Amino acid sequence: GAGVSQSPSNKVTEKGKDVELRCDPISGHTALYWYRQSLGQGLEFLIYFQGNSAPDKSGLPSDRFSAERTGGSVSTLTIQRTQQEDSAVYLCASSLLTPMNTEAFFGQGTRLTVV
Amino acid sequence: LAKTTQPISMDSYEGQEVNITCSHNNIATNDYITWYQQFPSQGPRFIIQGYKTKVTNEVASLFIPADRKSSTLSLPRVSLSDTAVYYCLAGNAGNNRKLIWGLGTSLAVNP
Repeated sequence: GAGVSQSPSNKVTEKGKDVELRCDPISGHTALYWYRQSLGQGLEFLIYFQGNSAPDKSGLPSDRFSAERTGGSVSTLTIQRTQQEDSAVYLCASSLLTPMNTEAFFGQGTRLTVV
Repeated sequence: LAKTTQPISMDSYEGQEVNITCSHNNIATNDYITWYQQFPSQGPRFIIQGYKTKVTNEVASLFIPADRKSSTLSLPRVSLSDTAVYYCLAGNAGNNRKLIWGLGTSLAVNP
């Protein structure tokens, strides 16, 4: 596709359930990022992929959060046993990996509400 | 990683030029300054990137003084559709995954 696509756009889940969020990056973009944004706040880094490997997972809030990327393309972010504090917009971005490039392309996000 | 500081909010009117200044005192030699725009319920959108002096594109200009400890995003003749949050970031392709995103500057353009 022309841009970064995320699904679902909205997700309401019950506390304790698992959720899976999907990101389709721009074709050919080696780098993929997951961020979380709470209402009125800036973006919080979660995890970064270079190809299929995740050299930096330092932003994942707890072991309930995990992510994978396959084929250097689609990525899924999984949150197990969701808690109310997990409610936020989860943003995915992709970019080329060139020395001078800091431009990331963002998807529309998945709004997660844990009730 | 360089932390950036920018005003929380700004107000302007249609047709005016808006300048948003960002300070990044601890910017590293290989860091670039990047600005993003975010509308409600959307992901951030890249506006402009620069290293030093002046960069201009079809949307904005970015002014960076010689010491690079600050930068100014200039939006010429703003319209109502420029109402958004603007984020200033300092980093490079090696660490931009961990760019520190502050609260940004919430710009309100009034008629």
